[in-house]
Amino acid sequence: GENVEQHPSTLSVQEGDSAVIKCTYSDSASNYFPWYKQELGKRPQLIIDIRSNVGEKKDQRIAVTLNKTAKHFSLHITETQPEDSAVYFCAASNSGGYQKVTFGTGTKLQVIP
Amino acid sequence: NAGVTQTPKFQVLKTGQSMTLQCAQDMNHEYMSWYRQDPGMGLRLIHYSVGAGITDQGEVPNGYNVSRSTTEDFPLRLLSAAPSQTSVYFCASSYPDGVGYTFGSGTRLTVV
Repeated sequence: GENVEQHPSTLSVQEGDSAVIKCTYSDSASNYFPWYKQELGKRPQLIIDIRSNVGEKKDQRIAVTLNKTAKHFSLHITETQPEDSAVYFCAASNSGGYQKVTFGTGTKLQVIP
Repeated sequence: NAGVTQTPKFQVLKTGQSMTLQCAQDMNHEYMSWYRQDPGMGLRLIHYSVGAGITDQGEVPNGYNVSRSTTEDFPLRLLSAAPSQTSVYFCASSYPDGVGYTFGSGTRLTVV
């Protein structure tokens, strides 16, 4: 089955700096890669996703890049703000069928004002 | 459109008791799943279902049962609660390709 590794497990940045979270996956059939943000005491919520036919996707201060050859994808947050502080999860799945979504272990991001 | 609704939000059980965590979605999602989340750990898949009448085990299924009699509902049953099952439980649903994976608000379960 799919295995998703996520690094780092914790990340502290100064407000205004950029943050990068990296994930690798094992199953070459995976073709859908969502990212979730979980604030303290709340549910994970989808913030951005990317499909395998796209190398990069941006949404305001958030971007995701995908390297299918190397089987890794990354989340980039620019101009970080205190409200970006949360746990971020990457995930991978094969959208071509009934494939369960496999999550990474999470990155706790702290943005220091 | 309520999305994914979980009940109860909080529950305290005594060791050996049984209970059912409820999950319902109104988005006509075929795929539903249950995760548990322990402090400092990620989301671990307990059971999942790809449609009514079809269920399968995830990575931590022991001590839990599920059924899927309708598209909307996917209850999780704890057969005989143990302290190791103290956790936050999330139900999630999506279309078959995993796109639009939506989580419920969670159930915080404590077993004493």
